[in-house]
Amino acid sequence: EDKVVQSPLSLVVHEGDTVTLNCSYEVTNFRSLLWYKQEKKAPTFLFMLTSSGIEKKSGRLSSILDKKELFSILNITATQTGDSAIYLCAVEGRGYQKVTFGTGTKLQVIP
Amino acid sequence: NAGVTQTPKFQVLKTGQSMTLQCAQDMNHNSMYWYRQDPGMGLRLIYYSASEGTTDKGEVPNGYNVSRLNKREFSLRLESAAPSQTSVYFCASTTGGQEGYGYTFGSGTRLTVV
Repeated sequence: EDKVVQSPLSLVVHEGDTVTLNCSYEVTNFRSLLWYKQEKKAPTFLFMLTSSGIEKKSGRLSSILDKKELFSILNITATQTGDSAIYLCAVEGRGYQKVTFGTGTKLQVIP
Repeated sequence: NAGVTQTPKFQVLKTGQSMTLQCAQDMNHNSMYWYRQDPGMGLRLIYYSASEGTTDKGEVPNGYNVSRLNKREFSLRLESAAPSQTSVYFCASTTGGQEGYGYTFGSGTRLTVV
């Protein structure tokens, strides 16, 4: 059974701090790892990672995948209150075209 | 583009009542999914449809049925609602091609069963 574990479960930081969110996984026939940000409603897509060691960046957010050790990290630098959200990690396996989600990391950025 | 549209946004049902959650996407995606999200449980897959004309069970299918009406629409039906089905339901879609793609989610349906 595919499995995704995220840590920490929740995190409170001050504006300007840098945070690292962790995601470890077990999946049959890995295809991709996905990061989402969920504020009040639907998750919104951040990154898709398929290859080890290649960093994806978008502004202050970046993510990298280690397929050998089966984990990914999501970094957020110079955090802002608008970064407060639940960050979801998910893995996609081949053959079933489905995604297994972790329970998420709840990030709260305080002024 | 509307993306993925779910209706209704909120619903309160009495135990034993039935209802259908509607989902439509206008992105010409092949694959569509229904998830439920509960506190501390994350998003769990109920059913999915890899392509028009096919549906398959996910992790938590009991108590639900689905219909892939056409390429655009994928509905979720609760035949006899139970309090355990109180949750937020999300529909999602993706191209489902050989390369993995991000999923696009609808805005969710908050269902309460009393």
